[in-house]
Parts: sequence; C-alpha cells; structure tokens
Amino acid sequence: AQSVSQHNHHVILSEAASLELGCNYSYGGTVNLFWYVQYPGQHLQLLLKYFSGDPLVKGIKGFEAEFIKSKFSFNLRKPSVQWSDTAEYFCAVNPQGDMRFGAGTRLTVKP
Amino acid sequence: GAGVSQSPSNKVTEKGKDVELRCDPISGHTALYWYRQSLGQGLEFLIYFQGNSAPDKSGLPSDRFSAERTGGSVSTLTIQRTQQEDSAVYLCASSLSASGGQETQYFGPGTRLLVL
Repeated sequence: AQSVSQHNHHVILSEAASLELGCNYSYGGTVNLFWYVQYPGQHLQLLLKYFSGDPLVKGIKGFEAEFIKSKFSFNLRKPSVQWSDTAEYFCAVNPQGDMRFGAGTRLTVKP
Repeated sequence: GAGVSQSPSNKVTEKGKDVELRCDPISGHTALYWYRQSLGQGLEFLIYFQGNSAPDKSGLPSDRFSAERTGGSVSTLTIQRTQQEDSAVYLCASSLSASGGQETQYFGPGTRLLVL
C-alpha cells in the first residue's frame, strides 16, 4: 500500500532562515505528489503539485519542491521563511483518487 | 457555493449514539472526499466519490462507518454506535473530478466530533 513519510514533526526557524521539509513516499506506480498547508484557523489549501515534466515545481508564496524519483522524495523548500509561514505542512500522494497524506510537519517561524 | 461547507462545525455525542456529518461540495465538482484527522496524526483517507459511486471503501475504519452521496452533490458520513476513539476532525474535500488523481482538492472547515 502507498504511504507517505514526513521526517520532521516540528521545525522551529527564525525569520529569513531557509526551509527544507522532507517527504518520502512508497508507491510503485505513477505518482501524483502534493504539498498542502494549513495556516492556523484556516482550511487546508494547496501549495503545489507535481505530475510530470520538470521535477522542480514552484508553488504559491515562494515555495518550491523537487521530485527525485530515485530517492522517492518530494521535499519542500523555501529560501527565506517569514513569520506568516507558521503553519502545518502536509505531503501527499494520490495515485487515483484515494489521496494518502503524511503525518504533517508543524513549522514555527520566530519573528 | 463559494467553497466546501460542512455541518455541524462541532458535535458532542455520547458513546453508542449515531452521528451524521454533512458535506456540501463546490458546485460543479463531481468528486468528493472524506478524511479523518486525529490529534497529533495526519489525515487519514476514508472514502471518495466520483459522482454518486464510491470506487474504494477500504479506508473506512470499521463497518460502523458509512457514507453516501445522492444527486452528485451533498454527502453524508454516518458513524453508528460511536466510540471514544472516533473523536476527531472529519474533513471533506471536493475536486472537479477524481480521475487520474491530479485534481486539486478543496477542503472544507471540518466537523469536530467529540464522543464522551
């Protein structure tokens, strides 16, 4: 069965620091990969997604993610975080419609 | 509507009672999804609908859980004989379709269920 692992449960950074959140998945077929974000008090919303083509995908608010097929990874990055990036981040894989999410990584950015 | 809506927003019930959770998807979205988010855990996939049919029910935790969707729109998730471990936030999402797994899912605010 497909699964998604997010290595960091809670990450604390100062503003302007660089961010990388790890995500590994296990699935044998073609994968559709997503990062969703949940800001405090808000709904889950899409940050970015990857299906095919350029393995470096750019999303909203300066986020990007790189798909590395050989490592089964889809790590999320941002060069310089802001206090407003404080949120919970979820990686997900969706083979057909039954999306599987990781446990999430809580990011706290100190002003 | 403007977004996915869910009702009730909060539900407190006694162990053993049945509860019904409702999801109203974005107008025009043919696919609808249910997830459960327990404290400290990620989102657990429960079931999805493409139109009125549910191709995969294997995510439902037990036979106490059921879901239906009629008219290709509103869906209800029913939990019978609730247990304390059913306490969680139940999230609903919708997308234009489910085919290929590439569509963006739009999430509702969730229903927070507490079973005493």
